[in-house]
Amino acid sequence: EIVLTQSPGTLSLSPGDRATLSCRASQSVSSSYFAWYQQKPGQAPRLLIFGVSSRATGIPDRFSGSGSGTDFTLTISRLEPEDFAVYYCQQYGSSPLTFGGGTKVEIK
Amino acid sequence: EVQLVESGGDLVQPGGSLRLSCAASGFTFSSYSMNWVRQAPGKGLEWVSFISSSRNAIYYADSVKGRFTISRDSAKNSLYLQMDSLRDEDTAVYYCARDIAHGDSVRWFFDLWGRGTQVTVSS
Repeated sequence: EIVLTQSPGTLSLSPGDRATLSCRASQSVSSSYFAWYQQKPGQAPRLLIFGVSSRATGIPDRFSGSGSGTDFTLTISRLEPEDFAVYYCQQYGSSPLTFGGGTKVEIK
Repeated sequence: EVQLVESGGDLVQPGGSLRLSCAASGFTFSSYSMNWVRQAPGKGLEWVSFISSSRNAIYYADSVKGRFTISRDSAKNSLYLQMDSLRDEDTAVYYCARDIAHGDSVRWFFDLWGRGTQVTVSS
């Protein structure tokens, strides 16, 4: 099973800042099968990015994904108030699919 | 409105059983593969089970294999999770989630999630 480790656990930033979230896999993720989700308290998770760098429908272009192999990054270019949430990475290249433990982006 | 709504969560004793439901609306439920994903308190997300659109493929996480059973009823636009022999470590919020692909395709990431239902296993 591929273990995904997200860092940092919490990111304290201000609106307008750039956010860089990291996800490291215990083994190489095959064929760019990698996604990111956003979750706000009491809400369902929301798909942001799939295939490492493709934005899901309706996701603003301030969200971008990059990476390969074992190291992946979600970047939010300029934080909007609605972006403060928990973010999860997911790999779906190996069975079972697995998720990271999450990074909380909080208001500084 | 396109949505998934889970129900059936409750407080149950270890060794007990529970049946979760997920009601789908606003889309052609029968055309999509579906999953259950759970989140234990203070933890990340954990994939639990998968059922294909045609019900000819079913998979489980090792942690629930032999104890949980996934099923679906397209006439009722509903997904189910029968949970038996429940353990303390099954305590979590359970989400149903739709695979982004429809028909026979499966892509293994999820574009529609419900808000979840709380399952607590405790004596």
